[in-house]
Amino acid sequence: EDQVTQSPEALRLQEGESSSLNCSYTVSGLRGLFWYRQDPGKGPEFLFTLYSAGEEKEKERLKATLTKKESFLHITAPKPEDSATYLCAVRGETSGSRLTFGEGTQLTVNP
Amino acid sequence: DSGVTQTPKHLITATGQRVTLRCSPRSGDLSVYWYQQSLDQGLQFLIQYYNGEERAKGNILERFSAQQFPDLHSELNLSSLELGDSALYFCASSVVGTGTELFFGSGTQLSVL
Repeated sequence: EDQVTQSPEALRLQEGESSSLNCSYTVSGLRGLFWYRQDPGKGPEFLFTLYSAGEEKEKERLKATLTKKESFLHITAPKPEDSATYLCAVRGETSGSRLTFGEGTQLTVNP
Repeated sequence: DSGVTQTPKHLITATGQRVTLRCSPRSGDLSVYWYQQSLDQGLQFLIQYYNGEERAKGNILERFSAQQFPDLHSELNLSSLELGDSALYFCASSVVGTGTELFFGSGTQLSVL
């Protein structure tokens, strides 16, 4: 069974204070690791897909990296508008179309 | 805006009742997924349809059912509702049935009183 654990559960940063969110996963044959952003009362918004260890993707102040056991979402010089819950999900070779989500990291960036 | 439309946004009902949640996928997307999000369990996969046919089933209760119509919109039917069914129900769509790059709607908040 695919499993995803995200840490920390919550993170408070000052504007400009860089940090990283962690996603540890257990999956049989990774077919994709996904990062989503979710704002209160809204649906998750797709950010990145990573497929193999060593892969990196960037978008504005966000950079996602992948190893064989975990993924990191690095946030550089965050702004208050980056405040949201960040969700990690995996798809394994035995899970068909199903994505297994972690419970998320709630990020708050104070001005 | 993801392009996925869900209605209604809010639904308040009583235990034992039946409700229907509706989802219109992004234009061109053939696959529709339903997820449940509650405070204590995060996002849980319920069911997937691809071009009108059931493709995958997750932790969906027998009291719940879904279908995808020829115009590709989907409905999730919840019956004999219990207090514990209160949650956010999300629909997502993708071009193909492989689960990559899901685009989520804004959800239906179901409150069972």
